[in-house]
Amino acid sequence: DAMVIQNPRYQVTQFGKPVTLSCSQTLNHNVMYWYQQKSSQAPKLLFHYYDKDFNNEADTPDNFQSRRPNTSFCFLDIRSPGLGDAAMYLCATSGPGLARTDTQYFGPGTRLTVL
Amino acid sequence: AQSVTQPDIHITVSEGASLELRCNYSYGATPYLFWYVQSPGQGLQLLLKYFSGDTLVQGIKGFEAEFKRSQSSFNLRKPSVHWSDAAEYFCAVAFRGGSARQLTFGSGTQLTVLP
Repeated sequence: DAMVIQNPRYQVTQFGKPVTLSCSQTLNHNVMYWYQQKSSQAPKLLFHYYDKDFNNEADTPDNFQSRRPNTSFCFLDIRSPGLGDAAMYLCATSGPGLARTDTQYFGPGTRLTVL
Repeated sequence: AQSVTQPDIHITVSEGASLELRCNYSYGATPYLFWYVQSPGQGLQLLLKYFSGDTLVQGIKGFEAEFKRSQSSFNLRKPSVHWSDAAEYFCAVAFRGGSARQLTFGSGTQLTVLP
């Protein structure tokens, strides 16, 4: 089955220690998104890639970076995690473009704990 | 400003009872409408979507939703709830004139199912 995969499902890091979260997809979608979801809140878009074009949301902290080496993979790097960065991180894809009718499909998420 | 409202933060129903989750949007035209479900510790799963046409939309897991233009609503319904339906439900809207990335989520409704 075509799907969005996130690894690891649970990640524990220390305050200030860089961490990388991974997302891969078999849907061959052009667009990949990263969302942050804190407890009992709606997902908040951090950024997205349209093919290799990176698009940052205006209020995404500089502490968050992303890489997309190819169509299938996308990484979220948190350079210096703070306690406030503890959250569920969701990867989503849509395609083939950014049309309003292109539905976003989500992965299972990575739960990040910062000690 | 464009917005999505889910008036009910938490709903409790008995197994076998009917369910209706409310979603209202504020916008001058008809948007694209989605319902997602999130089980504890999981990502978001698409239940159904409405773009145009028949205003009653059938989704997975026995869910349906009805778009009512006059009420700016897209309420989710299920005739008989199962214990496995306990989860958080998010209404999401893509407003026309935007792109797939501009998916606005409601704040979510937590569903508890009593045996």
